[in-house]
Amino acid sequence: GAGVSQSPSNKVTEKGKDVELRCDPISGHTALYWYRQRLGQGLEFLIYFQGNSAPDKSGLPSDRFSAERTGESVSTLTIQRTQQEDSAVYLCASSLNHGVTQYFGPGTRLLVL
Amino acid sequence: KQEVTQIPAALSVPEGENLVLNCSFTDSAIYNLQWFRQDPGKGLTSLLLIQSSQREQTSGRLNASLDKSSGRSTLYIAASQPGDSATYLCAVRQAAGNKLTFGGGTRVLVKP
Repeated sequence: GAGVSQSPSNKVTEKGKDVELRCDPISGHTALYWYRQRLGQGLEFLIYFQGNSAPDKSGLPSDRFSAERTGESVSTLTIQRTQQEDSAVYLCASSLNHGVTQYFGPGTRLLVL
Repeated sequence: KQEVTQIPAALSVPEGENLVLNCSFTDSAIYNLQWFRQDPGKGLTSLLLIQSSQREQTSGRLNASLDKSSGRSTLYIAASQPGDSATYLCAVRQAAGNKLTFGGGTRVLVKP
């Protein structure tokens, strides 16, 4: 079946603007994760959703970052007042349940000028 | 705080050689460990997942071992092919918590 999809695939924005990134998980996957990969660095966990439980936001780097998920479907990651250091690839992953294999989307490449 | 290290950072081998990729982690209280492959400009592809109670997993030419007490995992790729060229990432999930902690990756080049 279809894998995890993300949109847009690329986004260029000006410093100070807000951006919204979208993730469509694999159908039926209850868990959804957002990660960030900055150039030359490893992947950093941002946020985790599991069903209707309160999300784990422990990885969000600042209050400019927020994410929502509608039930067990689409998730959006919003970055307000973008800064140049927000430039990165933002990856979304989903899994059937907590603790099993995570399947990643292709990522959104964000460039803040 | 869990830290994951992958050595070497880059590896170049001729086609046909076996690949050995190392991953070490500082906190042995893990739930599982996962190996991924990342191709340039693309997302991550899951290769193998090893639960904390397991010592190895195999899939085709790939074999991953886990020594939880010493904080190590090794990914073996037999008879490497140019198509194996990619960055390989290991990631651990703690027994408590939801996130994966990733290593910095090993960039592999298999020369024909």
